[in-house]
Amino acid sequence: GAVVSQHPSRVICKSGTSVKIECRSLDFQATTMFWYRQFPKQSLMLMATSNEGSKATYEQGVEKDKFLINHASLTLSTLTVTSAHPEDSSFYICSARDQGGPSAEAFFGQGTRLTVV
Amino acid sequence: DAKTTQPNSMESNEEEPVHLPCNHSTISGTDYIHWYRQLPSQGPEYVIHGLTSNVNNRMASLAIAEDRKSSTLILHRATLRDAAVYYCIRGRRGAQKLVFGQGTRLTINP
Repeated sequence: GAVVSQHPSRVICKSGTSVKIECRSLDFQATTMFWYRQFPKQSLMLMATSNEGSKATYEQGVEKDKFLINHASLTLSTLTVTSAHPEDSSFYICSARDQGGPSAEAFFGQGTRLTVV
Repeated sequence: DAKTTQPNSMESNEEEPVHLPCNHSTISGTDYIHWYRQLPSQGPEYVIHGLTSNVNNRMASLAIAEDRKSSTLILHRATLRDAAVYYCIRGRRGAQKLVFGQGTRLTINP
C-alpha cells in the first residue's frame, strides 16, 4: 500500500533554533498533505493543510510564521518550527491521501518527536 | 469540530470480540465514516471506512446503523497488538482533511 515517510523520527534542539521536518509520499503524488501535532495523552490536532505550489492553509490558532510549511513538489512537504521553545515540544505527524474524495484512505507518517531544551 | 462521540476507554480480553461504538448523529448523507487506530508512538493507520452498508476487511468489520447516526467497529478476535487508540472520523464531502476526536483507548488483557 501507499506509504508516507517522515524524517527525522526524533529530534532534540536548543531553544531558539529552527527545526525542519520532512514528509514524503513514497509511491504516489500528493497535491495536498496535512500536518498534525499531538501532545501526550491527547488526540491529533490538525495544524495546517499543505498545498503543492501554493500557500498552506492554517487552522485557527496556529501561527503561520512559527510553523512554516513548504510543499514544493508532489511528493514532499516540509514543516519548519522556527525559533523553537520548550512548549513546541510535541509529536508532529504528517498525512496524505492518494486520491481525492471523502472515501479516500489517508496515510500517515510515523511521526517526529520534537524535544526543545 | 470532529462531531463524533466515542467512549474514552474500553477494555477487553485477548481472543474475544470487541465492539467499539461511535455516535455521529449530525452526519450528512454524503459523509463517510472512517476508522483509524494509533498504536503507541506511531502515526495513525487506516482500519476501515464505509458509507451506508456494513463493511468487512481483514482487520475489522464496520456496522453502520440504518439511520447512519451511529456505527460500531468490530474486532472479531482481539489480540494484544490491537491495543491502541481508535478514532472514528467523518469524511466530509469536498474536504480532504480529517479531523480527529478524542478516540477510544482500547486495552486488551491477556
